[in-house]
Amino acid sequence: AQKITQTQPGMFVQEKEAVTLDCTYDTSDPSYGLFWYKQPSSGEMIFLIYQGSYDQQNATEGRYSLNFQKARKSANLVISASQLGDSAMYFCAMHDSGYALNFGKGTSLLVTP
Amino acid sequence: EAGVAQSPRYKIIEKRQSVAFWCNPISGHATLYWYQQILGQGPKLLIQFQNNGVVDDSQLPKDRFSAERLKGVDSTLKIQPAKLEDSAVYLCASSLFAGPGSSGTDTQYFGPGTRLTVL
Repeated sequence: AQKITQTQPGMFVQEKEAVTLDCTYDTSDPSYGLFWYKQPSSGEMIFLIYQGSYDQQNATEGRYSLNFQKARKSANLVISASQLGDSAMYFCAMHDSGYALNFGKGTSLLVTP
Repeated sequence: EAGVAQSPRYKIIEKRQSVAFWCNPISGHATLYWYQQILGQGPKLLIQFQNNGVVDDSQLPKDRFSAERLKGVDSTLKIQPAKLEDSAVYLCASSLFAGPGSSGTDTQYFGPGTRLTVL
C-alpha cells in the first residue's frame, strides 16, 4: 500500500524568500509518479509539478522545483522567490500502476510581506 | 482550453436526502476521477473511470454512493441517502491517460469542486 507523509502542518515564509515543503513516500512499486498540487482558499486543486520515478533529473517548472531523493523516498517541493499569492495549502501526491492519486494531508503555507 | 466543470458549487441538504453532482471533463480526456475531500485532509479517491468503464471503485461506499459516466464524457455522482459524515468537498478530475501502454499523460486536472453540507 502506498503512503504519503507531509510532516509540516503549517509553514511561514517571507516574501521573496525560498521555502521547502517536505514530502516522503512509501511504495513497493518500482514505477510511480509524484505530484505537487496547490489548493488556494477557493478550493480548486492546481497542478504544479510532476516527477517520474525513472526520471534522472529533478523536475522544474518556473519558480517550482522538486528535490527528488529516491533512496530516501523524499520528494520535497522548493518554491523560490515566494509571492503573496503562493499562500495556500500544498499537497504531495503519488500514483503507482493504478494511476489514481494518493494524497498527503497537506501543508499550509503563509507568505508574509 | 476549457477546464473541468462541476456543478453545483455548493449544496446543503438534510441527512437521509439524496444529492447528485455533475462533472464535465476536459475535452478528449479519457480518464475521469471523483475524489472526496473531508475538511483538513487530502482528497481520497472514490471512483475512477476510463472512457465509460469503471477502473477502480474499491473505496466507493456502494450502499449509498453511485456514479456513472455516460458515453465516456460527462459523469454524475449520487449519494442516497446522505449521512452527516458525507459533508465534504467532492472533486472531479480528468486526465488524457487511456490506460497502460497508451501515450497519454496521466497528469490529473481538477475542477472547482462541490462543497456538500449535510445537516
